Amino acid sequence: QSILTQPPSVSGAPGQRVTISCTGTTSNIGANYEVHWYQQFPGTAPKLLMYGNNNRPSGVPDRFSGSKSGTSASLAISGLQDEDEAHYYCQSYDKSLRIWVFGGGTKLTVL
Amino acid sequence: EVQLVQSGAEVKKPGESLKISCKGSGYTFSSYWIGWVRQMPGKGLEWMGIIYPGDSETTYSPSFQGQVTISADKSISTAYLQWSSLKASDTAMYYCMRLSRGPNNWFDPWGQGTPVTVSS
Repeated sequence: QSILTQPPSVSGAPGQRVTISCTGTTSNIGANYEVHWYQQFPGTAPKLLMYGNNNRPSGVPDRFSGSKSGTSASLAISGLQDEDEAHYYCQSYDKSLRIWVFGGGTKLTVL
Repeated sequence: EVQLVQSGAEVKKPGESLKISCKGSGYTFSSYWIGWVRQMPGKGLEWMGIIYPGDSETTYSPSFQGQVTISADKSISTAYLQWSSLKASDTAMYYCMRLSRGPNNWFDPWGQGTPVTVSS
């Protein structure tokens, strides 16, 4: 059971907008620790998609955006494309456990 | 280009020992923390621990404390993850990653992963 909670799956049609939630506690996201997001395609290593709640590394399309409020964060993908089909993981730090923590991951299916 | 390159796939028997590696390039290896993550088949990411190659300071997740050993040789820009006695439940993909600097660390880049299979 992961420290950060994500929906196991989300789906959307090409062109639509989807959001993936990441829910934590007052020991991690709610303790003002930033949330970061990773994208993982089958058979490949995860790759940084969003850092510091809402900052995109070079090369990441602006269709991807992030937000954080209270003990939760969200990743939004607008103008959904077939190539966005992947697993997405959120990550933060937990001050009580003193460890870096991940969400359980969300599989995005483009219908 | 900052890069982490991991050692190749391993197939071992229960009870055997194993040491896998992660070699950094394109940056000052000793100045950034390196972390390890486990991904069991069809499952999510589990943070195992980190090491600062500059002085080999190490922190483990309680879930992995005593189960694995993380080390580094800064002279050859390489971090290691080792087991003294493998179990079938250690079968997984293992990734190393570089931690960003600052109070809110993210992981970038990631190594390509080392698949470990433990089977009799």
